[in-house]
Amino acid sequence: AQKITQTQPGMFVQEKEAVTLDCTYDTSDPSYGLFWYKQPSSGEMIFLIYQGSYDQQNATEGRYSLNFQKARKSANLVISASQLGDSAMYFCAMNPGNQFYFGTGTSLTVIP
Amino acid sequence: EPEVTQTPSHQVTQMGQEVILRCVPISNHLYFYWYRQILGQKVEFLVSFYNNEISEKSEIFDDQFSVERPDGSNFTLKIRSTKLEDSAMYFCASSVEGIANQPQHFGDGTRLSIL
Repeated sequence: AQKITQTQPGMFVQEKEAVTLDCTYDTSDPSYGLFWYKQPSSGEMIFLIYQGSYDQQNATEGRYSLNFQKARKSANLVISASQLGDSAMYFCAMNPGNQFYFGTGTSLTVIP
Repeated sequence: EPEVTQTPSHQVTQMGQEVILRCVPISNHLYFYWYRQILGQKVEFLVSFYNNEISEKSEIFDDQFSVERPDGSNFTLKIRSTKLEDSAMYFCASSVEGIANQPQHFGDGTRLSIL
């Protein structure tokens, strides 16, 4: 069975600080993708970053980086230099093939 | 940058009525998806569509639901005889290929409210 777990329902971070959002997953598929999406209060889903199961290096996209630990089945999102506009829901998702499995999300609030 | 577009952004419908949610996927994408997000809950997969047929569907996607690609650009989700519990945000997504390393690009969603 495929499963994605986000254990932090809510997180707070001071502006300009870094924050780590946790994500663990479970799958028996050897090939899968791990993704993070941002959902602002307006509701749209914004793709942030991707990590492939066979990728040796951690993915980075601007201020976003993915701390991928395959043996521990974790794919934590690190946001550096937080900005007020980063306040949103963040969803971890896994795609072993034809559909996405989403976690329950983490609500991030950036404090000025 | 090309994007997935969904219409309408908000749909209000009486219980028992049929509703059609519309999506225009990114033009060179081949795989299309519908997801549902009940308020405050996680995003749930409904159905994936490739080569003019359903390739995978979840247990949520029962006989009340159907999908169609009526022309070369639109991808629709029809909900027959809507129920109160169908109230949710419905997201359309598309990807170039239906494999593990392809991100799915989401539309902005249609908020469906059943009265």
